[in-house]
Amino acid sequence: EPEVTQTPSHQVTQMGQEVILRCVPISNHLYFYWYRQILGQKVEFLVSFYNNEISEKSEIFDDQFSVERPDGSNFTLKIRSTKLEDSAMYFCASQQGRTTGANVLTFGAGSRLTVL
Amino acid sequence: QKEVEQNSGPLSVPEGAIASLNCTYSDRVSQSFFWYRQYSGKSPELIMSIYSNGDKEDGRFTAQLNKASQYVSLLIRDSQPSDSATYLCAVNMGGSSGDKLTFGTGTRLAVRP
Repeated sequence: EPEVTQTPSHQVTQMGQEVILRCVPISNHLYFYWYRQILGQKVEFLVSFYNNEISEKSEIFDDQFSVERPDGSNFTLKIRSTKLEDSAMYFCASQQGRTTGANVLTFGAGSRLTVL
Repeated sequence: QKEVEQNSGPLSVPEGAIASLNCTYSDRVSQSFFWYRQYSGKSPELIMSIYSNGDKEDGRFTAQLNKASQYVSLLIRDSQPSDSATYLCAVNMGGSSGDKLTFGTGTRLAVRP
Protein backbone atom coordinates (compact mmCIF):
# COMPACT_ATOMS: atom_id res chain seq x y z
CA GLU A 1 0.00 0.00 0.00
CA PRO A 2 1.39 3.46 -0.89
CA GLU A 3 2.72 5.37 2.07
CA VAL A 4 4.06 8.75 3.08
CA THR A 5 7.69 8.49 4.18
CA GLN A 6 9.28 10.85 6.70
CA THR A 7 12.86 11.35 7.82
CA PRO A 8 14.34 11.59 10.36
CA SER A 9 12.14 9.71 12.78
CA HIS A 10 13.68 11.60 15.69
CA GLN A 11 15.88 14.68 15.79
CA VAL A 12 17.39 16.36 18.80
CA THR A 13 18.67 19.89 18.33
CA GLN A 14 19.83 22.86 20.33
CA MET A 15 17.66 25.96 20.62
CA GLY A 16 18.43 28.40 17.81
CA GLN A 17 19.58 25.73 15.36
CA GLU A 18 18.01 25.14 11.96
CA VAL A 19 16.13 21.91 11.35
CA ILE A 20 14.89 20.37 8.11
CA LEU A 21 12.29 17.63 8.19
CA ARG A 22 11.81 15.63 5.03
CA CYS A 23 8.84 13.86 3.52
CA VAL A 24 8.13 11.84 0.40
CA PRO A 25 4.37 12.02 -0.26
CA ILE A 26 2.41 9.37 -2.13
CA SER A 27 3.38 9.68 -5.79
CA ASN A 28 0.00 10.51 -7.37
CA HIS A 29 -1.08 12.88 -4.63
CA LEU A 30 -1.36 16.59 -5.37
CA TYR A 31 -1.92 18.20 -1.99
CA PHE A 32 0.68 18.19 0.76
CA TYR A 33 0.48 19.17 4.40
CA TRP A 34 2.44 19.53 7.60
CA TYR A 35 0.72 19.05 10.92
CA ARG A 36 2.24 18.95 14.37
CA GLN A 37 1.24 17.40 17.66
CA ILE A 38 2.73 18.60 20.92
CA LEU A 39 2.84 15.76 23.45
CA GLY A 40 -0.59 15.20 24.95
CA GLN A 41 -2.28 17.76 22.73
CA LYS A 42 -4.34 17.74 19.56
CA VAL A 43 -3.06 17.45 16.01
CA GLU A 44 -2.69 20.99 14.63
CA PHE A 45 -2.54 22.17 11.04
CA LEU A 46 0.59 24.05 10.03
CA VAL A 47 0.56 24.50 6.25
CA SER A 48 -0.88 23.19 3.02
CA PHE A 49 0.92 23.14 -0.33
CA TYR A 50 -0.46 22.71 -3.81
CA ASN A 51 0.86 23.42 -7.28
CA ASN A 52 4.26 24.40 -5.89
CA GLU A 53 3.01 27.06 -3.56
CA ILE A 54 1.55 27.46 -0.10
CA SER A 55 -2.24 27.43 -0.27
CA GLU A 56 -2.92 28.02 3.40
CA LYS A 57 -0.98 28.41 6.63
CA SER A 58 -1.89 28.65 10.28
CA GLU A 59 -0.88 31.23 12.86
CA ILE A 60 1.74 28.77 14.09
CA PHE A 61 3.49 28.86 10.71
CA ASP A 62 5.37 32.12 11.23
CA ASP A 63 8.47 33.48 9.50
CA GLN A 64 10.65 30.85 11.18
CA PHE A 65 8.95 28.13 9.14
CA SER A 66 9.21 27.44 5.43
CA VAL A 67 8.26 24.60 3.10
CA GLU A 68 9.69 23.52 -0.20
CA ARG A 69 9.21 20.85 -2.84
CA PRO A 70 12.59 21.09 -4.49
CA ASP A 71 12.57 18.11 -6.84
CA GLY A 72 9.00 16.97 -7.45
CA SER A 73 9.16 14.18 -4.89
CA ASN A 74 10.52 15.50 -1.58
CA PHE A 75 8.49 17.92 0.53
CA THR A 76 10.45 19.62 3.30
CA LEU A 77 9.67 21.66 6.39
CA LYS A 78 12.41 23.98 7.61
CA ILE A 79 12.47 25.64 11.00
CA ARG A 80 15.06 28.36 10.80
CA SER A 81 15.80 29.00 14.47
CA THR A 82 14.23 26.42 16.74
CA LYS A 83 12.62 27.31 20.05
CA LEU A 84 11.86 25.07 23.01
CA GLU A 85 8.16 25.24 22.16
CA ASP A 86 8.83 23.75 18.72
CA SER A 87 9.36 20.39 20.39
CA ALA A 88 6.61 18.19 18.95
CA MET A 89 5.84 15.38 16.56
CA TYR A 90 5.65 16.71 13.03
CA PHE A 91 3.46 14.82 10.59
CA CYS A 92 3.63 15.12 6.84
CA ALA A 93 0.42 14.19 5.02
CA SER A 94 -0.81 14.06 1.46
CA GLN A 95 -4.09 13.67 -0.36
CA GLN A 96 -4.97 12.90 -3.94
CA GLY A 97 -7.52 15.63 -4.60
CA ARG A 98 -10.31 17.75 -3.20
CA THR A 99 -13.37 15.81 -4.30
CA THR A 100 -15.34 13.42 -2.14
CA GLY A 101 -13.27 10.33 -1.56
CA ALA A 102 -10.10 11.90 -2.94
CA ASN A 103 -9.78 14.29 -0.02
CA VAL A 104 -8.65 11.59 2.38
CA LEU A 105 -5.47 12.54 4.20
CA THR A 106 -2.74 9.93 4.56
CA PHE A 107 -0.17 10.63 7.27
CA GLY A 108 3.46 9.71 7.48
CA ALA A 109 4.90 8.08 10.60
CA GLY A 110 6.09 11.43 11.93
CA SER A 111 9.33 13.12 12.89
CA ARG A 112 9.80 13.74 16.59
CA LEU A 113 11.66 17.00 17.18
CA THR A 114 13.22 17.64 20.56
CA VAL A 115 14.66 21.11 21.15
CA LEU A 116 17.03 21.43 24.10
CA GLN B 1 -13.07 29.91 16.25
CA LYS B 2 -14.06 26.74 14.45
CA GLU B 3 -13.90 23.80 16.83
CA VAL B 4 -14.21 20.05 16.97
CA GLU B 5 -15.15 18.70 20.39
CA GLN B 6 -14.66 15.23 21.79
CA ASN B 7 -14.85 13.74 25.25
CA SER B 8 -11.25 12.92 26.16
CA GLY B 9 -12.21 9.79 28.08
CA PRO B 10 -10.93 7.31 28.88
CA LEU B 11 -13.85 5.26 27.65
CA SER B 12 -13.52 1.78 29.11
CA VAL B 13 -15.50 -1.12 27.62
CA PRO B 14 -15.22 -4.88 28.06
CA GLU B 15 -14.02 -7.03 25.20
CA GLY B 16 -16.87 -7.86 22.83
CA ALA B 17 -18.93 -4.78 23.75
CA ILE B 18 -19.90 -1.87 21.55
CA ALA B 19 -17.81 1.28 21.96
CA SER B 20 -19.54 4.55 21.07
CA LEU B 21 -17.43 7.61 20.37
CA ASN B 22 -18.95 11.04 19.81
CA CYS B 23 -17.88 14.29 18.22
CA THR B 24 -19.50 17.67 17.66
CA TYR B 25 -18.30 20.42 15.37
CA SER B 26 -19.02 24.10 15.25
CA ASP B 27 -19.02 24.98 11.54
CA ARG B 28 -22.38 24.25 9.94
CA VAL B 29 -20.96 24.26 6.38
CA SER B 30 -18.55 21.37 7.05
CA GLN B 31 -18.77 18.68 4.38
CA SER B 32 -16.21 15.96 5.09
CA PHE B 33 -15.75 14.03 8.30
CA PHE B 34 -13.12 11.52 9.28
CA TRP B 35 -12.29 9.19 12.13
CA TYR B 36 -8.63 8.41 12.72
CA ARG B 37 -7.12 5.95 15.18
CA GLN B 38 -3.87 6.92 16.88
CA TYR B 39 -1.82 4.52 18.94
CA SER B 40 0.52 6.11 21.48
CA GLY B 41 3.55 7.61 19.76
CA LYS B 42 2.26 6.77 16.29
CA SER B 43 0.64 8.73 13.48
CA PRO B 44 -3.11 8.99 12.84
CA GLU B 45 -4.49 6.13 10.75
CA LEU B 46 -7.73 6.55 8.83
CA ILE B 47 -10.63 4.39 10.06
CA MET B 48 -13.63 5.90 8.28
CA SER B 49 -14.68 8.84 6.16
CA ILE B 50 -18.28 10.03 5.91
CA TYR B 51 -19.78 12.77 3.79
CA SER B 52 -23.59 12.30 3.87
CA ASN B 53 -26.14 12.17 6.64
CA GLY B 54 -26.84 8.69 7.95
CA ASP B 55 -24.78 5.62 8.66
CA LYS B 56 -21.76 4.18 6.90
CA GLU B 57 -20.55 0.72 7.84
CA ASP B 58 -17.14 -0.87 7.27
CA GLY B 59 -16.59 -4.17 9.03
CA ARG B 60 -16.90 -3.65 12.78
CA PHE B 61 -16.98 0.14 12.39
CA THR B 62 -20.03 2.33 11.76
CA ALA B 63 -19.82 6.07 11.32
CA GLN B 64 -22.95 8.15 11.83
CA LEU B 65 -23.40 11.73 10.65
CA ASN B 66 -26.14 14.20 11.52
CA LYS B 67 -25.38 17.55 9.91
CA ALA B 68 -28.46 19.23 11.39
CA SER B 69 -27.17 18.47 14.89
CA GLN B 70 -23.53 18.96 13.84
CA TYR B 71 -22.72 15.58 15.28
CA VAL B 72 -20.68 12.64 14.08
CA SER B 73 -20.12 9.37 15.90
CA LEU B 74 -18.19 6.13 15.56
CA LEU B 75 -19.44 2.78 16.78
CA ILE B 76 -17.03 -0.11 17.20
CA ARG B 77 -18.78 -3.47 17.48
CA ASP B 78 -17.21 -6.53 19.12
CA SER B 79 -14.47 -4.37 20.63
CA GLN B 80 -11.06 -6.01 20.89
CA PRO B 81 -8.10 -5.14 23.14
CA SER B 82 -6.25 -4.16 19.95
CA ASP B 83 -8.83 -1.38 19.48
CA SER B 84 -7.42 0.34 22.56
CA ALA B 85 -6.15 3.66 21.19
CA THR B 86 -7.09 7.32 20.90
CA TYR B 87 -9.77 8.02 18.31
CA LEU B 88 -9.53 11.37 16.59
CA CYS B 89 -12.48 13.09 14.96
CA ALA B 90 -11.41 15.35 12.11
CA VAL B 91 -13.51 17.75 10.06
CA ASN B 92 -12.79 19.40 6.74
CA MET B 93 -14.67 22.63 7.16
CA GLY B 94 -14.05 23.77 3.59
CA GLY B 95 -14.91 27.29 2.51
CA SER B 96 -12.60 29.88 4.01
CA SER B 97 -10.96 27.10 6.03
CA GLY B 98 -9.64 25.57 2.83
CA ASP B 99 -8.76 21.91 2.73
CA LYS B 100 -7.18 21.52 6.12
CA LEU B 101 -8.52 19.16 8.73
CA THR B 102 -9.47 20.42 12.16
CA PHE B 103 -8.98 17.73 14.78
CA GLY B 104 -10.60 17.13 18.10
CA THR B 105 -8.50 16.28 21.12
CA GLY B 106 -9.38 12.62 20.73
CA THR B 107 -11.15 10.07 22.91
CA ARG B 108 -9.01 7.44 24.55
CA LEU B 109 -10.60 4.00 24.34
CA ALA B 110 -9.55 1.15 26.62
CA VAL B 111 -10.93 -2.32 25.88
CA ARG B 112 -10.68 -4.63 28.89
CA PRO B 113 -9.94 -8.32 28.14
